Amino acid sequence: GAGVSQSPSNKVTEKGKDVELRCDPISGHTALYWYRQSLGQGLEFLIYFQGNSAPDKSGLPSDRFSAERTGGSVSTLTIQRTQQEDSAVYLCASSPGRWGEKLFFGSGTQLSVL
Amino acid sequence: SQQGEEDPQALSIQEGENATMNCSYKTSINNLQWYRQNSGRGLVHLILIRSNEREKHSGRLRVTLDTSKKSSSLLITASRAADTASYFCATDSGSNDYKLSFGAGTTVTVRA
Repeated sequence: GAGVSQSPSNKVTEKGKDVELRCDPISGHTALYWYRQSLGQGLEFLIYFQGNSAPDKSGLPSDRFSAERTGGSVSTLTIQRTQQEDSAVYLCASSPGRWGEKLFFGSGTQLSVL
Repeated sequence: SQQGEEDPQALSIQEGENATMNCSYKTSINNLQWYRQNSGRGLVHLILIRSNEREKHSGRLRVTLDTSKKSSSLLITASRAADTASYFCATDSGSNDYKLSFGAGTTVTVRA
């Protein structure tokens, strides 16, 4: 596609439920990032994928969070047993691969946990 | 903790005026980037300045970088209503680190 695509754009869930957020990066981009942004805050790094290398999961806030990237393209961020503090905008970004390059962001998924 | 911190937190100006915002960071960097965010959703890349550069221009944007002070500024000249957005600086950690750290941003409101 022309840009980074994220789905759903909005997700409302009940506390304790699992959710899956999807990111489709720009074709050919080997690097993929997940960030989280709470209301009025900056971006919090969650996880980084680069090609076939092991992902950097150092930003995941708890073991309830996990992410996969299949075939070096589409990525899914899964949050198990959601809590109210998980409510935020989850942003995905991709880049051609070399560090130091600009990131291309998707429009994000607004997650609301009731 | 966040590497980059923007100042001020919020800025309100009249259309046609210039807007200046600053970013300070803690550790050495390879490059610094500025992004814009409209309506709290996806960020758009504005400009990237490398550690060996002191100033860069892109249209109505001017970015400066002072590595001795670990600070950068973003100037938007002749502002327009469409410039109303949040602006973030992003830095790497200078050690071949792919992780960009973002500050909390400066919210700019341009009044017609």
